[in-house]
Amino acid sequence: DTGVSQDPRHKITKRGQNVTFRCDPISEHNRLYWYRQTLGQGPEFLTYFQNEAQLEKSRLLSDRFSAERPKGSFSTLEIQRTEQGDSAMYLCASSSTAGRSYEQYFGPGTRLTVT
Amino acid sequence: AQRVTQPEKLLSVFKGAPVELKCNYSYSGSPELFWYVQYSRQRLQLLLRHISRESIKGFTADLNKGETSFHLKKPFAQEEDSAMYYCALGRDAGGTSYGKLTFGQGTILTVHP
Repeated sequence: DTGVSQDPRHKITKRGQNVTFRCDPISEHNRLYWYRQTLGQGPEFLTYFQNEAQLEKSRLLSDRFSAERPKGSFSTLEIQRTEQGDSAMYLCASSSTAGRSYEQYFGPGTRLTVT
Repeated sequence: AQRVTQPEKLLSVFKGAPVELKCNYSYSGSPELFWYVQYSRQRLQLLLRHISRESIKGFTADLNKGETSFHLKKPFAQEEDSAMYYCALGRDAGGTSYGKLTFGQGTILTVHP
């Protein structure tokens, strides 16, 4: 297991297009998180799943954003009708609720540029 | 609402000097606090968490509930400590343990030779 992986690593798209990102968590982890990070800021929470259930979604997240984790393994984050303000690094993390660790392990991120 | 503040965006010290990265939080309940680090071209990783009270790579952090602070300290900085450091609050307003993380803006630490 090489840790959390994300695909693609970079995405350039034109304003108005839809994009989808994928995250593969560490295999035994039941929690999966999505964050967004813009230049000069810390990561900002978007949503998280426990198994296939989406437990929380940020109120800052517009209706253009949707995330799924259909089988409790990998997750996808889709942005519809992209805007220039969506340009950011999108980070995925995973953790396990077993034991007391709950440490979140982060992926390398997907950098989105909307032109 | 919960909030994490890191007042210094940049911090420069010389090798061997003590270093302190400041973190203040705002949270009405019992906080769970973490320090994450991101070295150049690497992914974000956990450095330490307050509940374990451990020292990692010579860094320590003490939770001060009276001052609502969780400052990160190291007595003798090394060049390899140069990185971006984020303080994070790990308990949401509903009291759910270890859900989302609320991050500060980060502090870039540069240790000069």
